Amino acid sequence: DTGVSQNPRHKITKRGQNVTFRCDPISEHNRLYWYRQTLGQGPEFLTYFQNEAQLEKSRLLSDRFSAERPKGSFSTLEIQRTEQGDSAMYLCASSFGSQGETQYFGPGTRLLVL
Amino acid sequence: GESVGLHLPTLSVQEGDNSIINCAYSNSASDYFIWYKQESGKGPQFIIDIRSNMDKRQGQRVTVLLNKTVKHLSLQIAATQPGDSAVYFCAEKIGYSTLTFGKGTMLLVSP
Repeated sequence: DTGVSQNPRHKITKRGQNVTFRCDPISEHNRLYWYRQTLGQGPEFLTYFQNEAQLEKSRLLSDRFSAERPKGSFSTLEIQRTEQGDSAMYLCASSFGSQGETQYFGPGTRLLVL
Repeated sequence: GESVGLHLPTLSVQEGDNSIINCAYSNSASDYFIWYKQESGKGPQFIIDIRSNMDKRQGQRVTVLLNKTVKHLSLQIAATQPGDSAVYFCAEKIGYSTLTFGKGTMLLVSP
């Protein structure tokens, strides 16, 4: 399968715990995006990378959130001291090119914070 | 018919009908638009895109229409099938910025 992959697919955690999600983009895609999606809403942009550089972060990305893409391939999204409001689907997408319009999404990681 | 559900507007059609899903976008400066299909528990799947210098683009069974005068985008699905049942999102972008998604419309196709 050459699409975007995300792990884990589901994560249940207790409030206050840290969680880390991984995204493997389509190979050769230089741009990688993280989004958050809550029930009944469209995906909301969190951050994106061009190669290993993090170029933009949304105001939604609080200090408890950090994302990395150390070698310009896979990326991780960490949430520290999780809160119930962090419960959502976390989506990763990748694209190719300088403008990278067509973003291809992974299946998402569904997070439930108890 | 079309109705507003608890979370999403819903369009219910019969198999074989043509479906039209509408989207009002927010920024007149947006120059790129894209439609995604999202099935329950899955990530959004690319359907079709269009640039602002076009007003129509066709794919396989799908057509996107762009009316910049009224900031309106539509997705037409011909001969709708039960497998088309999903939530459909439009998204817009300006230049190098990131995608901004609309609220979504649920399409329900009855056999």
